[in-house]
Parts: sequence; structure tokens; C-alpha cells
Amino acid sequence: DSGVTQTPKHLITATGQRVTLRCSPRSGDLSVYWYQQSLDQGLQFLIQYYNGEERAKGNILERFSAQQFPDLHSELNLSSLELGDSALYFCASSDSSPEAGQYFGPGTRLTVL
Amino acid sequence: AQTVTQSQPEMSVQEAETVTLSCTYDTSESNYYLFWYKQPPSRQMILVIRQEAYKQQNATENRFSVNFQKAAKSFSLKISDSQLGDTAMYFCAFEGYGNKLVFGAGTILRVKS
Repeated sequence: DSGVTQTPKHLITATGQRVTLRCSPRSGDLSVYWYQQSLDQGLQFLIQYYNGEERAKGNILERFSAQQFPDLHSELNLSSLELGDSALYFCASSDSSPEAGQYFGPGTRLTVL
Repeated sequence: AQTVTQSQPEMSVQEAETVTLSCTYDTSESNYYLFWYKQPPSRQMILVIRQEAYKQQNATENRFSVNFQKAAKSFSLKISDSQLGDTAMYFCAFEGYGNKLVFGAGTILRVKS
């Protein structure tokens, strides 16, 4: 158990819909990262937050957005969903030392029908 | 941009034997971190081992060790005394300035009894 929690575990929805994925980092970690794992794109970095502020952006679509709240939990919002958005979405957290590595949650499996 | 290459899509090893997974990367940064993550069938991402680029000594974690060749930009993972529980997808990852992880495509390792 990494200490990072994600809800829900599975999400099935239809095209055009909007969903919210939630992540709670390990106790004490200020950084939260979101990654997408799909068969065709592999593991890709989406976005990073540090203590409530956006720190870095990767290959995140404009239809996707995220935020980190004062209690440090984070939410990833996916809207106008398309079939190609079906993937495993991971949240990871880390402390202020990059050498410690990032610890991943169990992921949310999103299926868009 | 950084890239990570894992040239072995699949490998197999007999239980109790040793196996080495290859990884090469490309970067112009001088200070960075390298990681190996394990993803078993449960899909959880588990941090296996980490290496700081400025440290010449190769990292070791129990049965897992790395061979880090900075000049060659090579970072291989050696698993000794392979166990059935080592069966998983293994990802090599690079973390440089900006703290996002860049992953390779992964190597599926099957441990046979």
C-alpha cells in the first residue's frame, strides 16, 4: 500500500459525459501528479500540482482540468468524453525531494462507451 | 525532450535465475533521477529502485540492483533469484528538471516455475 488513495476504482460512462477522479496523496506529500496509461500511448504525464498551485503541464487535453485543494487532495475533471479517453488514470504523490520518487495510487479505470 | 527506450518488449526467466532488463535514455540534463517501477497484473505501480545521476555507486534493493552507465545513458535492472511474484511489467522512468516522470514502453517479465 503506497498510501495514495484514488476513487473511484472503476468508472463506466458514455461519450460526451463529464467525470471527476479524486486523489488523496500520502500524508505530508505536497506534490500530486496525474498520469494516463493507455494501450496506444503508454504512460503519459498529464499535470502536476504543488501545494495547491499548478507546477507543470504535460500532454493534457483542453477538455481535461485538475485542481489541488487546501487539504492537498486533488481532482481530475474529464469532460466531453470520447472513446479514446478510456484508460487507466493514476495519481502519484511525492515529498519535496525528487530522489525519493513518486508513489502511485491504485488508479481509476475509466471506460467510455 | 527526454526519451526513455526499453528495447525488450518481453522476457522470460526460470525461477531462481537472474535476469537483466535494459533501458537507455536521452537527455541533455546533468542532474536527474532514474527509477524502475513494477506493474503486476493488479495494475498497481510499485517503485522498485531509484538511482541519482550524480552518484556513481549502483543502487541495490535486496534482490534488485541496477547497472548505471551515465556516459552511455544506460540504466539496466538486474533481478537475482527470480521469484514467481516478480512476474510483471517493468517500466524504466526518468525524472529531470520539472519533476515529471518520463516512462519507457515497458518490458513484460514472465517468471517460469
